[in-house]
Amino acid sequence: QSALTQPASVSGSPGQSITISCVGTSSDVDFYNYVSWYQQHPGRAPKFIIYDVTNRPSGVSSRFSGSKSGNTASLTISGLQAEDEADYYCSSYTSSTTRVFGGGTKLTVL
Amino acid sequence: QVQLVESGGGVVQPGRSLRLSCAASGFSFTSSGMHWVRQAPGKLEWVALISYDESTKYYADSVKGRFNISRDNSKNTLYLQMNSLRPEDTAVYYCATDWGHYFRYWGQGTLVSVSS
Repeated sequence: QSALTQPASVSGSPGQSITISCVGTSSDVDFYNYVSWYQQHPGRAPKFIIYDVTNRPSGVSSRFSGSKSGNTASLTISGLQAEDEADYYCSSYTSSTTRVFGGGTKLTVL
Repeated sequence: QVQLVESGGGVVQPGRSLRLSCAASGFSFTSSGMHWVRQAPGKLEWVALISYDESTKYYADSVKGRFNISRDNSKNTLYLQMNSLRPEDTAVYYCATDWGHYFRYWGQGTLVSVSS
């Protein structure tokens, strides 16, 4: 159950787009389309923002989008806003019926 | 609206036990699988999953044999019994609803600190 690999930090200016990668293995990201993403502001609980690789739950801004290629999933945030500054975590279902998270990425809006 | 309220956290010595609770409201708890997820500084870790009827339970390797997830559907409450606690179990513990393969709604967490 090794954690998925994410960059420790990314940054962008307001209005720009950024992409956060999430690298897994043949036992999780590569094999299943059950990748999700969570946004977490300091001192708050995580918030569910992407599921099934590409889908957004109701109420989540269309500026958030997800994709996957092989063992790498990605979260793209377009039109960056100050409120997007947060930590982002990916997660995947695994072949052992468990769940695994990425190590988290801190997004800084410059 | 969905509410999940964790309780039972605190400071405990290594080797001791602690039981966490998660009181649920605003959704059909008796039809929902439930997770425990913990967060040491900067890192989320899935801990355990229980089915809606308690018939299946899954655990992370790091807690297997030491932690037990359970629920009382008559009380809309989820539990995590933690035994043989270690310093590396120190974290904020969240309960979350299972939605397919995802963590749909989260509580605000309860802090567990394992220290002598």
